[in-house]
Amino acid sequence: DIQMTQSPSSLSASVGDRVTITCRASHSIRNYLNWYQQKPGKAPNLLIYGASSLQGGVSSRFSGSGSGTDFTLVINSLQPEDLATYYCQQSYVIPLTFGGGTKVEIK
Amino acid sequence: QVQLVESGGGVVEPGRSLRLSCAASGFTFSSFSMDWVRQAPGKGLEWVAVISYNGISTFYADSVKGRFTISRDNSKNTLYLQMSSLRGEDTAVYYCARDGADDYNFDYWGQGTPVIVSS
Repeated sequence: DIQMTQSPSSLSASVGDRVTITCRASHSIRNYLNWYQQKPGKAPNLLIYGASSLQGGVSSRFSGSGSGTDFTLVINSLQPEDLATYYCQQSYVIPLTFGGGTKVEIK
Repeated sequence: QVQLVESGGGVVEPGRSLRLSCAASGFTFSSFSMDWVRQAPGKGLEWVAVISYNGISTFYADSVKGRFTISRDNSKNTLYLQMSSLRGEDTAVYYCARDGADDYNFDYWGQGTPVIVSS
């Protein structure tokens, strides 16, 4: 199975900050990497697919990059509504696997 | 608009069975593969199973293989998860999710249905 490791597990940032979350795969997954946002008490929501493609309706403040084993999610100009846990997920091979999540808090 | 509505969750004793349903609307259900993803209380996301658009192919996480069965009825636009030999570690919110075109990402999710395995 491919292990997905996210860092940090949590962070606290101020409104307007640029936030970076990283995700590392235990084996190359090419660009089969997706990012989700899960707000408290809600279902997850797809933000980024194919490592860098923005899902329709998602704010352009979110961007993704990377390939192979190392990936990054960037939130530009953090907003209060970005309070959530963010998960990466590899879709390269079954079993599909998620990272452990990064909880983003607003200072 | 795309809607996925799960039902069938509840409290069940260890070793018993439960069937979850997911009613789909707003898209051509028979054209998309579908998944179940679960989330234990306070924990992260865990993929459970996937079924192809036509129901021919299914795959499972090792943690549920041999105990859970994913199926679908395209005439009813409904996805199912039959869970048997339930264990405490199966306690979670279960989400159904639609796969994106040509990839195993999850572009639409239901609201989830809770399953509590307890005596």
